[in-house]
Amino acid sequence: QSVLTQPPSVSAAPGQKVTISCSGSSSNIGNNYVSWYQQLPGTAPKLLIYDNNRRPSGIPDRFSGSKSGTSATLGITGLQTGDEADYYCGTWDSSLSGYVFGTGTKVTVL
Amino acid sequence: EVQLVESGGGLAQPGGSLGLSCAASGFTFSGYWMSWVRQAPGKGLEWVANIKQDGSEKYYVDSVKGRFTISRDNANNSLYLQMNSLRAEDTAVYYCARSGGATRSFGFWGQGTLVTVSS
Repeated sequence: QSVLTQPPSVSAAPGQKVTISCSGSSSNIGNNYVSWYQQLPGTAPKLLIYDNNRRPSGIPDRFSGSKSGTSATLGITGLQTGDEADYYCGTWDSSLSGYVFGTGTKVTVL
Repeated sequence: EVQLVESGGGLAQPGGSLGLSCAASGFTFSGYWMSWVRQAPGKGLEWVANIKQDGSEKYYVDSVKGRFTISRDNANNSLYLQMNSLRAEDTAVYYCARSGGATRSFGFWGQGTLVTVSS
């Protein structure tokens, strides 16, 4: 049972925008940096967003991250079929002294 | 190019042991925290353990404390996970991952190695 809650699935048509929420608490999101990971079917996860809103080199600006209080959000604009994947938020939990991942969200392009 | 290559996965019996390795290349291995992350079949990601650059600090998820041991060999650019007293619920793909700090994101991942615990 993850301490970070995400919606199980979101969907939209190509070219549209989706947002994925990640809800936590003061011991994790509230006081630590949030990251987002994309996992395409059958592959290892890939870092999309780090330090709440920063993109690693090579990640298009269609992907964005934000944090407010004990929640974080991943936004994907200009949705493409290649964006169909599972997305996970993650952060350190100071109470658990461990890293925690969200429950995961499956993005479907209609 | 950063590369992380896991090995050592396979079939183990409940109560048995297995050791995983991760060979790192393309970066200064001794300069980074390293972690193991696992994913049970059809399930989400679960962080397992991490280790500081010099091995002086280690953290574990509660479910593996006392059973798993993370270690590293900076001279050979290698990360290890010794898994003892294995349980069926330890069945998963195990990924080696590099992070910028104990509490920071995982910027690079290996391809994973499958561990199956079954009689």
